[in-house]
Amino acid sequence: AQRVTQPEKLLSVFKGAPVELKCNYSYSGSPELFWYVQYSRQRLQLLLRHISRESIKGFTADLNKGETSFHLKKPFAQEEDSAMYYCALSPVIPFSGGYNKLIFGAGTRLAVHP
Amino acid sequence: KAGVTQTPRYLIKTRGQQVTLSCSPISGHRSVSWYQQTPGQGLQFLFEYFSETQRNKGNFPGRFSGRQFSNSRSEMNVSTLELGDSALYLCASSLDRVGLVKNIQYFGAGTRLSVL
Repeated sequence: AQRVTQPEKLLSVFKGAPVELKCNYSYSGSPELFWYVQYSRQRLQLLLRHISRESIKGFTADLNKGETSFHLKKPFAQEEDSAMYYCALSPVIPFSGGYNKLIFGAGTRLAVHP
Repeated sequence: KAGVTQTPRYLIKTRGQQVTLSCSPISGHRSVSWYQQTPGQGLQFLFEYFSETQRNKGNFPGRFSGRQFSNSRSEMNVSTLELGDSALYLCASSLDRVGLVKNIQYFGAGTRLSVL
């Protein structure tokens, strides 16, 4: 079964504190993993993807195939990081440009307090 | 470059009616995917269209259908509406060029459908 689990509905931290948004997945293969973010009154947008191995807005995420996890981390949270964060999985189809199907987790709301 | 445009933004329908939602992808994008977002089920994949063909389908009943036109614009249709179809319907477009690793999907603002 293809599934993404985000165990926390809400994560509340103070500004400057470290943040870790958890994501675990279930997939019989090597999927692509993404983090999408939705700020208040804005549309859903890509934050980062595991194949890029880059840091966006100070956030990083490492794919751990052994633990089937893709946790999102930031060492020092900012108030503007407050948003809804979704972890998503996309099945990888060999020898294909890729089918655009995303399986989303339930999302975690991050609230950063001053 | 204009983003993904969904129309209308809001719709109110009654049970038993049908509804058509529209999505205009980013210029040059050939793939359009549709998602349903509800408080209870979260974001769920409906289907994807590429070059006017449905390429992938989620686990939704046959009342949910879609199509894509030659200009890549897509429509989604829901027939015999039920109360549970009330949701935010999101459309996403992707460049989907052969040879590229998984393409990024860009989302529209959504159409909020209320079924009374």
